Amino acid sequence: QKEVEQDPGPLSVPEGAIVSLNCTYSNSAFQYFMWYRQYSRKGPELLMYTYSSGNKEDGRFTAQVDKSSKYISLFIRDSQPSDSATYLCSLGGGGGATNKLIFGTGTLLAVQP
Amino acid sequence: DAGITQSPRYKITETGRQVTLMCHQTWSHSYMFWYRQDLGHGLRLIYYSAAADITDKGEVSDGYVVSRSKTENFPLTLESATRSQTSVYFCASGDNDNQPQHFGDGTRLSIL
Repeated sequence: QKEVEQDPGPLSVPEGAIVSLNCTYSNSAFQYFMWYRQYSRKGPELLMYTYSSGNKEDGRFTAQVDKSSKYISLFIRDSQPSDSATYLCSLGGGGGATNKLIFGTGTLLAVQP
Repeated sequence: DAGITQSPRYKITETGRQVTLMCHQTWSHSYMFWYRQDLGHGLRLIYYSAAADITDKGEVSDGYVVSRSKTENFPLTLESATRSQTSVYFCASGDNDNQPQHFGDGTRLSIL
């Protein structure tokens, strides 16, 4: 079983839609949860960072963590064409050999104008 | 502005050649990392460094060598390139090894 599973997409939505991106993980020890956005031919950039269960909001973006279900989500409200990118979930602090950050394979999102 | 610079951005070489990818950060982060990104695999850790002269292997380190003589630089060398090392390579830096990292824009390496 992979440590983190992420639906690869691609996901295509119309402008203004609400987007939900999700990851599940297997190691309940993970303490740090991140979402990165990666535009084509660029490096990942940190979008959201949280270390507790619950919701964290930043503008149109909401990160949700459910540690009991080992499930994290990123919601994008009023999606824009500029949100078209690959979104990577990342987890850290799993302890031992898995103490390094691990990354999902990414979900490719296209927001159609 | 603080950041990470990777060079070259694109590189084509042949099997058996030695290739060095450069990474320079101005964040003053103690940790630096090298990842490769391949379709279906996501980002995989090759090597990381906690400080100057301290390096350690990641998940996919075979065939790669790193050094860190200065805190701001972390070059990655492929000693004898193989086609399986064709990939996009990202350098990153951070304050520790399990919290947010800052990434460079990558080097696209093709090995023919």
